Amino acid sequence: EAQLVESGGGLVEPGGSLRLSCVVSELTFSSYWMHWVRQAPGKGLVWVSRMDTVGSVIDYADSVRGRFTISRDNARRTLFLQMNSLRAEDTAVYYCVRDLVGRRDSWGQGTLVTVSS
Amino acid sequence: DIVMTQSPLSLSVTPGEPASISCRSSQSLLHRNGDTFFAWYLQKPGQSPQVLIYLGSNRASGVPDRFSGSVSGTDFTLKISRVEAEDVGVYYCMQGLQTPYTFGQGTKLEIK
Repeated sequence: EAQLVESGGGLVEPGGSLRLSCVVSELTFSSYWMHWVRQAPGKGLVWVSRMDTVGSVIDYADSVRGRFTISRDNARRTLFLQMNSLRAEDTAVYYCVRDLVGRRDSWGQGTLVTVSS
Repeated sequence: DIVMTQSPLSLSVTPGEPASISCRSSQSLLHRNGDTFFAWYLQKPGQSPQVLIYLGSNRASGVPDRFSGSVSGTDFTLKISRVEAEDVGVYYCMQGLQTPYTFGQGTKLEIK
């Protein structure tokens, strides 16, 4: 079973930047679409972004478009989320997800991003 | 955006009794390839979500067979034949047909 390990979260001031990473244990990383999903404290799940296997298809939620950038490095089996111009409402646990809705659907443990002065 | 509406939002069940959660999508989730882009997730307390049912009604690997999913048009149902204590948590439905992918509000299941 694949392991997805996120890192890069932390406390950042409004307007600041963070880069999240997600390392996937399985060699088949390059075969799957990857996603970021977030969950604000005590709230539900919200889809953030997705990328296909080679970076040809990239989509964002309206709330992050223009501020967040998803990318991947298949050789390093790593998914990234560059987050710029962070706002208080971006405070959440960010989950890396493989093959969302699909047969190999798998989630990481999440990394907490806190935007506060 | 596709709206996912879950009911009930909370559920209290006696161990060994059945439970059912419903989810309705605002439009069909049937892709032209024949797959239904819908899933059920369980988020246990303090944990990340885990898939229970994927692509409409397929039980995920390792999920106990007391969990089952069904589809009727835009109505989706998750059934637990006999609730156990380890089933507590929040259940979410989700559509993955079109972006933005959207989740239901969540159904909190607790044990009586």
